[in-house]
Amino acid sequence: SAVISQKPSRDICQRGTSLTIQCQVDSQVTMMFWYRQQPGQSLTLIATANQGSEATYESGFVIDKFPISRPNLTFSTLTVSNMSPEDSSIYLCSVEVMHTASYEQYFGPGTRLTVT
Amino acid sequence: GNSVTQMEGPVTLSEEAFLTINCTYTATGYPSLFWYVQYPGEGLQLLLKATKADDKGSNKGFEATYRKETTSFHLEKGSVQVSDSAVYFCALRRSNDYKLSFGAGTTVTVRA
Repeated sequence: SAVISQKPSRDICQRGTSLTIQCQVDSQVTMMFWYRQQPGQSLTLIATANQGSEATYESGFVIDKFPISRPNLTFSTLTVSNMSPEDSSIYLCSVEVMHTASYEQYFGPGTRLTVT
Repeated sequence: GNSVTQMEGPVTLSEEAFLTINCTYTATGYPSLFWYVQYPGEGLQLLLKATKADDKGSNKGFEATYRKETTSFHLEKGSVQVSDSAVYFCALRRSNDYKLSFGAGTTVTVRA
């Protein structure tokens, strides 16, 4: 398995500002992901954070709004830019590891963002 | 495309009751199937998994069997506790793709 930490755990931000969320893993991993969980909803994949290259974004998400960095195999950041109340969500990072001959994804504790 | 359908909640049970949460999927090939649990105010935890037909995943008293013929992966627990109150997500991963497809989630509340 993998132990994942995220900072901050929660924040309240004003519209128009930006917030950068950090994700730290306790071991080197190739695949790292960012998800959004809107209130009372399931998880939606935002992007795959690629080490040494640009992130791969899912349909409906763009780099200008959600820039991602991945400087090494244990760390990534997600920035939520020019925030609006619709960005109020839980943002989770996850990693994929091989365990007992199959892949598993492990999730961080999440960052609870409220935009006012 | 891939999709996961879970029974709608919320589900409210008394302690020691039997819990079943239905999950069916649509996918080509032989995906891996997962159940995740999200306790109040926390992230997702992997509860159990199965990677091929007829596999049974189990953990913390929960079980789910990969049924290829019915494309299902129903979660069961024989005797729930108050501490099992959480949101449960069914998910699948295709064998040639790293992306997880999640169900909508089922909120379970266990009363003492």
